[in-house]
Amino acid sequence: EMQLLESGGGLVQPGGSLRLSCAASGFTFSIYAMIWVRQAPGRGLEWVSSITTNGDNTYYAESVKGRFTISRDNSKNTLYLQMNSLRAEDTAVYYCNDVRGNFDSWGQGTLVTVSS
Amino acid sequence: DVVMTQSPLSLPVTLGQPASISCRSSQSLEYSDGNTYLNWIQQRPGQSPRRLIYRVSNRDSGVPDRFSGSGSGTDFTLKISRVEAEDVGVYYCMQGRHWPPGPTFGQGTKLEIK
Repeated sequence: EMQLLESGGGLVQPGGSLRLSCAASGFTFSIYAMIWVRQAPGRGLEWVSSITTNGDNTYYAESVKGRFTISRDNSKNTLYLQMNSLRAEDTAVYYCNDVRGNFDSWGQGTLVTVSS
Repeated sequence: DVVMTQSPLSLPVTLGQPASISCRSSQSLEYSDGNTYLNWIQQRPGQSPRRLIYRVSNRDSGVPDRFSGSGSGTDFTLKISRVEAEDVGVYYCMQGRHWPPGPTFGQGTKLEIK
């Protein structure tokens, strides 16, 4: 059974940093391009970042470009999101998934709260 | 970027009655591999998203057959034949055809019981 398990969220002050992880299991992680998606309180789903299967190419929403870095370790079946210079508007639940929506299940997400 | 437009954004429905949600994309979602990458996602209150329908019309395991998806090209529809209380939540369409940079989601349709 495929699973995605996000972790690493928490409370951080504006300007701070966090590193999110997404542990994948039950499928061949290395053949899927992956994404991070977030959902701010009371809002819809928003794409944040994408990464190709080998990690050579990465893409970002304008709202996070220059502050967030997506990466992956295929040997560990894990996707990462390094978030720097965090702002209040980055407060959200962050989910990982594959770029085409091939997975039937989403993880529980990890909550990032940016507040002083 | 591809824009996904859902309607209606609010959908009050009487129990046992049908419901329908429309999703339109600004570009065709048909891909050269023969697939059309349009999914429907359900998010019940307080829960994580859950895929209901993949590639336009394929129901995921465990999804009741009262849910159906249809459409092609740029116009897609999610139908619920008889709404039940457990169907309350927000429904999103999602396109995975056009990337990079990444997938895009509709604004979400909030289904509530009248």
